[in-house]
Amino acid sequence: GAGVSQSPSNKVTEKGKDVELRCDPISGHTALYWYRQSLGQGLEFLIYFQGNSAPDKSGLPSDRFSAERTGGSVSTLTIQRTQQEDSAVYLCASSPSGTSHGYTFGSGTRLTVV
Amino acid sequence: GENVEQHPSTLSVQEGDSAVIKCTYSDSASNYFPWYKQELGKRPQLIIDIRSNVGEKKDQRIAVTLNKTAKHFSLHITETQPEDSAVYFCAASRKNRDDKIIFGKGTRLHILP
Repeated sequence: GAGVSQSPSNKVTEKGKDVELRCDPISGHTALYWYRQSLGQGLEFLIYFQGNSAPDKSGLPSDRFSAERTGGSVSTLTIQRTQQEDSAVYLCASSPSGTSHGYTFGSGTRLTVV
Repeated sequence: GENVEQHPSTLSVQEGDSAVIKCTYSDSASNYFPWYKQELGKRPQLIIDIRSNVGEKKDQRIAVTLNKTAKHFSLHITETQPEDSAVYFCAASRKNRDDKIIFGKGTRLHILP
């Protein structure tokens, strides 16, 4: 596609429910990243996929968070048993592998846990 | 792992003056340093980047400098304009080793009329 696409753009969920956030990267980009941005805060790394390699999950804050990337393209970030502190904007980014280019970010999913 | 510190957290400058944002990094293996600009309600966008084999890079009113020995790098914006008001993030990574980018906490830049 022309850019990184994320859906939904906004999600309101009740505490304790599970949510799935979707990211469709730029076609041909082999690297995909998830970040979290809490209100007024910086960009917190969550997880990184590169081709067929095992993902770097070092940023996931708890075992309630997981992500997968099917077929080397679309990725889904799942948050189980959501808590109020999970409320944030979840940003996905992609980049070509092995180049000097930075990321291209999606517009994010704003998650609100009530 | 990498840790990126950024300061100041907030910066106000008169329109037309220069703005400087400074960052330090911890991982001496980091070799790629991008800067992102995030306008209110929008996604972060890459504005300039520098690799570790270069000490300075300019693009119109924006310049970045890198001191590998001291492990710090800076963003300089000259002749600031109202549209420069945004949050700026510095970042570091071990690019070409396919590592993730670690961001600083951001600087909110206000351009005063």
